[in-house]
Amino acid sequence: DGGITQSPKYLFRKEGQNVTLSCEQNLNHDAMYWYRQDPGQGLRLIYYSQIVNDFQKGDIAEGYSVSREKKESFPLTVTSAQKNPTAFYLCATKWTSGGTDTQYFGPGTRLTVL
Amino acid sequence: AQTVTQSQPEMSVQEAETVTLSCTYDTSESDYYLFWYKQPPSRQMILVIRQEAYKQQNATENRFSVNFQKAAKSFSLKISDSQLGDAAMYFCAYRSLSGNTPLVFGKGTRLSVIA
Repeated sequence: DGGITQSPKYLFRKEGQNVTLSCEQNLNHDAMYWYRQDPGQGLRLIYYSQIVNDFQKGDIAEGYSVSREKKESFPLTVTSAQKNPTAFYLCATKWTSGGTDTQYFGPGTRLTVL
Repeated sequence: AQTVTQSQPEMSVQEAETVTLSCTYDTSESDYYLFWYKQPPSRQMILVIRQEAYKQQNATENRFSVNFQKAAKSFSLKISDSQLGDAAMYFCAYRSLSGNTPLVFGKGTRLSVIA
């Protein structure tokens, strides 16, 4: 199967614990993104990475961290410093061809902090 | 910074009828992309349609078409012959052509389709 994989679909953690969300792609896309979705808020950018070993903060990076050691993988760690981590998290990649590009999204992970 | 506004939090349409979802954006740039994404109850984000700002012709994908008014910074989505499967959240998004900037999303419009 080709595409973007996010696992698990549902994740429960206790308050104060760090948790890492997985995002893997086999599309050979260079750029990868993490978004957070809350009801009535649309999608907000957490971090993005244009190439391996490089990433930039998005609009709401506080309390999150990422790594990009491989092209295929862009894991997101939600740290205990994130005050309100319960949300739906979406990973995306970007395909560029012929001067245009499109973002494709994974199926998402619903994180609930108890 | 660019912003995207979707002024209709919820819309409804009768099956087989036509509905238009509104989107406006704010930018000082002349070249950019605009997108409509659909998010059904499964929460999978699906690209519906894309418009390049330098193209005057409105994009069309089967029953989906846009009305792109560059001077007014308006980018509405028209869904013709609405089907029950069209029920979803619809997000308008903007992307600058400068650098490798990410998408900027509106807050979405929830579309219900009435049988």
